[in-house]
Order: sequence, then C-alpha cells, then structure tokens
Amino acid sequence: EDKVVQSPLSLVVHEGDTVTLNCSYEVTNFRSLLWYKQEKKAPTFLFMLTSSGIEKKSGRLSSILDKKELSSILNITATQTGDSAIYLCAVAGYGGSQGNLIFGKGTKLSVKP
Amino acid sequence: DVKVTQSSRYLVKRTGEKVFLECVQDMDHENMFWYRQDPGLGLRLIYFSYDVKMKEKGDIPEGYSVSREKKERFSLILESASTNQTSMYLCASSLYPAGGSEQFFGPGTRLTVL
Repeated sequence: EDKVVQSPLSLVVHEGDTVTLNCSYEVTNFRSLLWYKQEKKAPTFLFMLTSSGIEKKSGRLSSILDKKELSSILNITATQTGDSAIYLCAVAGYGGSQGNLIFGKGTKLSVKP
Repeated sequence: DVKVTQSSRYLVKRTGEKVFLECVQDMDHENMFWYRQDPGLGLRLIYFSYDVKMKEKGDIPEGYSVSREKKERFSLILESASTNQTSMYLCASSLYPAGGSEQFFGPGTRLTVL
C-alpha cells in the first residue's frame, strides 16, 4: 500500500533557527514528490521533485529528494514567524489511479519570536 | 494567477440533508479533485475528475457523489449528510493528472453536520 510518513509531527523553534522536515514514502512507480505549506487556509505549493529534478531552492527554503532512501527533506533557514504553518508532503506514482496523490499527515511548525 | 473558488467557507447542515459543495477554477484545467481534511488523518481523496462528465472514486467515496457538467466546475454532493461528514473540504485543480503538475487548492469549506 502506498504511504507517506512525515516527521516530526510538530516542531517549535525560535526565529533565526534552521529546521529540517522529513518525508519518507512508499509508492509504486514513483513519479513525483510535492511539498505544500498550509496556514489557516488552502495549501500553497512549494516544490515538486522528480527523478530529473531532485533539488529545488527558493529563497530560504530548499528541498532534496533521495530516491535511494525513498525520502525527502525540506529545509528552512533563518526561520521567521511567518513560516509557522503545517507543511505537507505528497507523493504520486505512475500508473494506477490518475488521482492518486498520497498525502502525509503533515508537520506543524511553530516559530516563536 | 490560478484561482480556485469554493461556494462557501462555512456551512452548517442537519443530519439527513442533501448538501452541495461547489468548486470553480478559472485556468481551463482538465483535472479536478475533492479532498477532506481531518485532524490526525491528513488530506484524503474523495473523488476526482479528469474530463467533463468523467469521474473516478478516490480513497473514501462512500456517502459522496460528484458532478462535472462543465470543465470549470466540479461539485461534491452529500446525498444524506451524517455527523461523521463534519470536516474541512478542499477542492483542487491541476493541468496534468496527479503528480504531473502542482495542484491548486481552493480556500476550503468547513462543513458541520448537526
């Protein structure tokens, strides 16, 4: 059965800290891994990682895909209170259902001033 | 900017009522999705559609149906609402099928069934 496990489930840090969020997965015929940020509303897209694009960076956020270890990390440097959110990881595989984007339960990040 | 809108942000219904949740996207996307999000369970796929009048069951379709009469609109229907359908409902759309491109989410509808 396809599944996505995120760790930790929650995390509290202070402004300026660097954090690493983890996502491990099991999926048949891996296609892509996506990261989303969810504040008190809809999830917003951060990154999509594939076999041909295993590393992405945008400002203070970066993500790496490790296909050997079936995992990904999301790094946030110099955290700010605005980074407080739930971070979701999702994985899709080729074949099977076209709607199968499997989400993890999320990591709740709280950044204290 | 891609925009996905949902008809209501908050909705309160009684057990047994028929409930319609509407979702509209303005980017001419082929693919549309309905999820529910519950604490401790994450996002779970209810139904999705990859074309007008086409629909596929997701992981938890029981108690729900959908309708896609026009490309931009995807409706979720609760035929007879029950208290265990109290949840946050999120609609999403994407250019390609799941995993081929990002999914854009609507703001969500928080449904309470009394």
